Amino acid sequence: DVKVTQSSRYLVKRTGEKVFLECVQDMDHENMFWYRQDPGLGLRLIYFSYDVKMKEKGDIPEGYSVSREKKERFSLILESASTNQTSMYLCASSLTGAGGELFFGEGSRLTVL
Amino acid sequence: QKEVEQNSGPLSVPEGAIASLNCTYSDRGSQSFFWYRQYSGKSPELIMSIYSNGDKEDGRFTAQLNKASQYVSLLIRDSQPSDSATYLCAVNDKDDKIIFGKGTRLHILP
Repeated sequence: DVKVTQSSRYLVKRTGEKVFLECVQDMDHENMFWYRQDPGLGLRLIYFSYDVKMKEKGDIPEGYSVSREKKERFSLILESASTNQTSMYLCASSLTGAGGELFFGEGSRLTVL
Repeated sequence: QKEVEQNSGPLSVPEGAIASLNCTYSDRGSQSFFWYRQYSGKSPELIMSIYSNGDKEDGRFTAQLNKASQYVSLLIRDSQPSDSATYLCAVNDKDDKIIFGKGTRLHILP
């Protein structure tokens, strides 16, 4: 079975802290994505990567960065967390050429106080 | 701004009836179309994909695509209480970016 694992289901951080959200997939997928999901705003793409060491900005990259040092791992970094980054963060992966056939992790709910 | 539009609902459908969920998209160059189901507190799960005009059936689910009208729909036959969820429409545009609608909440009435 396809599996995308996000390291933390729930996190509580303080404003200004650096936050790391880790995502690992075991399907040898080339493509990985980070979304955030907020009530009334739906799923919004933060960053994505189609290959190791490669990253592309999504629709809302401000305040975030990413790292993809290995094919199976895609990390989202909040350099200095702010309260407006309180959200559900979803990692997803897909095969190249699979279009929008995404496999999602269980999500990481981040609260920034 | 490329958009995918869905009625937010809730859409209430009696058990055993057909649930019809609709989605429109703005980018005429869109290539691929997807329906995801998201239960409350869970992450989205792909249930249907469709790439060409017409209907595609998978069990109780039928996806319908009309590229000329920029319209995609999902029909759920013999609706069950377990179908109660939010259904997200997603479109893969010509730049290969995946754009999600905000979802339609479906409530199946026992």
